[in-house]
Amino acid sequence: EDKVVQSPLSLVVHEGDTVTLNCSYEVTNFRSLLWYKQEKKAPTFLFMLTSSGIEKKSGRLSSILDKKELFSILNITATQTGDSAVYLCAVDQNSGYALNFGKGTSLLVTP
Amino acid sequence: DGGITQSPKYLFRKEGQNVTLSCEQNLNHDAMYWYRQDPGQGLRLIYYSQIVNDFQKGDIAEGYSVSREKKESFPLTVTSAQKNPTAFYLCASRMTGIGEKLFFGSGTQLSVL
Repeated sequence: EDKVVQSPLSLVVHEGDTVTLNCSYEVTNFRSLLWYKQEKKAPTFLFMLTSSGIEKKSGRLSSILDKKELFSILNITATQTGDSAVYLCAVDQNSGYALNFGKGTSLLVTP
Repeated sequence: DGGITQSPKYLFRKEGQNVTLSCEQNLNHDAMYWYRQDPGQGLRLIYYSQIVNDFQKGDIAEGYSVSREKKESFPLTVTSAQKNPTAFYLCASRMTGIGEKLFFGSGTQLSVL
């Protein structure tokens, strides 16, 4: 059975801390892994990863994929209260099916 | 502006009633999806459609129905057979092809009276 597992499920940090969110997967016909941020309603796209070892970076956020060990991490440095959100990991497969989502990590950044 | 429009934002359903959630996109995307989100459960796929007049069941299709008569529109009906419909419903779309990301609407919160 295909599965995407995120950890931790929730996290509370202080402003300025660095956090690492994890996403492991076991799927057939892996095509890509995507990260989304969901603050209130609509998830917004952060990164798409297809190749191992190549870091994607956007400001204080970065992500990397390990296709051998079947996981990805999302790093957020110097966290701000505006980073508080649910972070969703999803895997796209060659089967033409929809994205397979993990349960998400709820991040709360306190002042 | 291009995007995905879901309506209504909030919807209340009475016992035994069918309700329909609207999803319209003007991104010219081929594929459209409906996800259900419960607290702590992530997104679970209800139905998806990759082309007009064709759609497939997702992991939790029971108690739901869809249609895809136009490329832009993919309405979801929550039938009375769905015994626990209270949830947040997200519509999404994307082009079909390698490396195409998913775009989301703002969601509909459905509650049972």
